[in-house]
Amino acid sequence: EAGVAQSPRYKIIEKRQSVAFWCNPISGHATLYWYQQILGQGPKLLIQFQNNGVVDDSQLPKDRFSAERLKGVDSTLKIQPAKLEDSAVYLCASSPLGTNTEAFFGQGTRLTVV
Amino acid sequence: GNSVTQMEGPVTLSEEAFLTINCTYTATGYPSLFWYVQYPGEGLQLLLKATKADDKGSNKGFEATYRKETTSFHLEKGSVQVSDSAVYFCALSGSNAGNMLTFGGGTRLMVKP
Repeated sequence: EAGVAQSPRYKIIEKRQSVAFWCNPISGHATLYWYQQILGQGPKLLIQFQNNGVVDDSQLPKDRFSAERLKGVDSTLKIQPAKLEDSAVYLCASSPLGTNTEAFFGQGTRLTVV
Repeated sequence: GNSVTQMEGPVTLSEEAFLTINCTYTATGYPSLFWYVQYPGEGLQLLLKATKADDKGSNKGFEATYRKETTSFHLEKGSVQVSDSAVYFCALSGSNAGNMLTFGGGTRLMVKP
């Protein structure tokens, strides 16, 4: 079974530029998450989708971050404009419906803002 | 809100030593508890989980017991191997939080031959 796919693996941009990350979850998984992992810290949830609806985006900096999951399958996370403090690994995860279900993580996109 | 606190690393052990990584949590309701592992160059993988008080999760020789009275979920392994070198994350999923995970800061384990 294919895992969670993310691209690109690495991205370097200058501050104030824009960037987009893509995630394709495991087939059939209704729930999709985007996490931000700053170096030396644990992942922090940015946004959670169930199918194509947003469940929780309370920690998403909406002035610069946006995310969509239009057809309830793959998802895109965008940052515009980027700041130095956005340098982090952006992790996508997916899980099937239900409580206490396991979340499967992709390898992440490492973003460096210079 | 929910939070997870785990011991800071790095933890450096010799092969075959006993491992304990402490994890405590704060949560409303009855959360589920998890340990995730991140090997060098790889994504996060679920190591083990426990969904109710007194449950013991186990996998690959690692164990952790859900202790509600002490709000803890300490990770243990009787004899570590070099291949266990990784970063370990304790996490919880709140019963009213749509399965979203709240992570601790991670503990790096280095096992020397």
